[in-house]
Amino acid sequence: EAQVTQNPRYLITVTGKKLTVTCSQNMNHEYMSWYRQDPGLGLRQIYYSMNVEVTDKGDVPEGYKVSRKEKRNFPLILESPSPNQTSLYFCASSPAQGRQPGRQYFGPGTRLTVL
Amino acid sequence: GDSVTQMEGPVTLSEEAFLTINCTYTATGYPSLFWYVQYPGEGLQLLLKATKADDKGSNKGFEATYRKETTSFHLEKGSVQVSDSAVYFCALSDGGTASKLTFGTGTRLQVTL
Repeated sequence: EAQVTQNPRYLITVTGKKLTVTCSQNMNHEYMSWYRQDPGLGLRQIYYSMNVEVTDKGDVPEGYKVSRKEKRNFPLILESPSPNQTSLYFCASSPAQGRQPGRQYFGPGTRLTVL
Repeated sequence: GDSVTQMEGPVTLSEEAFLTINCTYTATGYPSLFWYVQYPGEGLQLLLKATKADDKGSNKGFEATYRKETTSFHLEKGSVQVSDSAVYFCALSDGGTASKLTFGTGTRLQVTL
C-alpha cells in the first residue's frame, strides 16, 4: 500500500530535550516536505526537499533541522524544543515537479507537546 | 506572496443540506487550485483540483470551479452527509517551487442528523 508513515504519532517532551520525528514514504517520490498545523493558521511549510541531499527552508524553519540521506526518509529534528513548537506536524511527499503539480500525499500526523 | 483566504468556521449543517465553503486566492501567474480534506485523527487527502481557469474539479459529490475573474474556488455539495464532517483546506500551487502548496486556514464542517 502506498503510504507516508510518521513516528511517533504522539510525543510529550520537555524544553531543550532533542527529538527526532521520522517520516518515510514508499512511493519513490522525489519531493518531501514538513508542515506544522496550528489553530487559525492552517498548515505552514517548515522545510522541503527536492531530492536526496537537496533541502531548503520553507516559511517557518526556525528551530528545526532536516536531512535527506535516502530518498524514502525525511526526518525532522528539533535540537532544543521550546513550548512554541507544540503543534501537529505533517510529513508529505509528491512526485517530481510537473508530474502531479501540487498533489501531495500526507502522513497521519505527529502531535507534539513541549512542556 | 501567494495567499489563500477561507471562510471562518465552524460550519454546522443538517444532513442533506447544501454546502458552500468560500475560498479566494492571491497569486501571480496561473496557479493550480486544490481542496484537501482532513478527517478526524487523519492526515490531509486530496479531495479535488483544478489546474486552469474555468476548470471544474469534482469528487464524492463535491465540486469547485476555478474562477480567474473573481480569484475564487468555492467548494459546494448539494446534499451533505454526517460522514462529510471534517476540516476542509483550500490550497494553491504556483508551479514554481516543486509541489509547494500554500494553504488556507481550514474550515471545520460538522454535519448533524
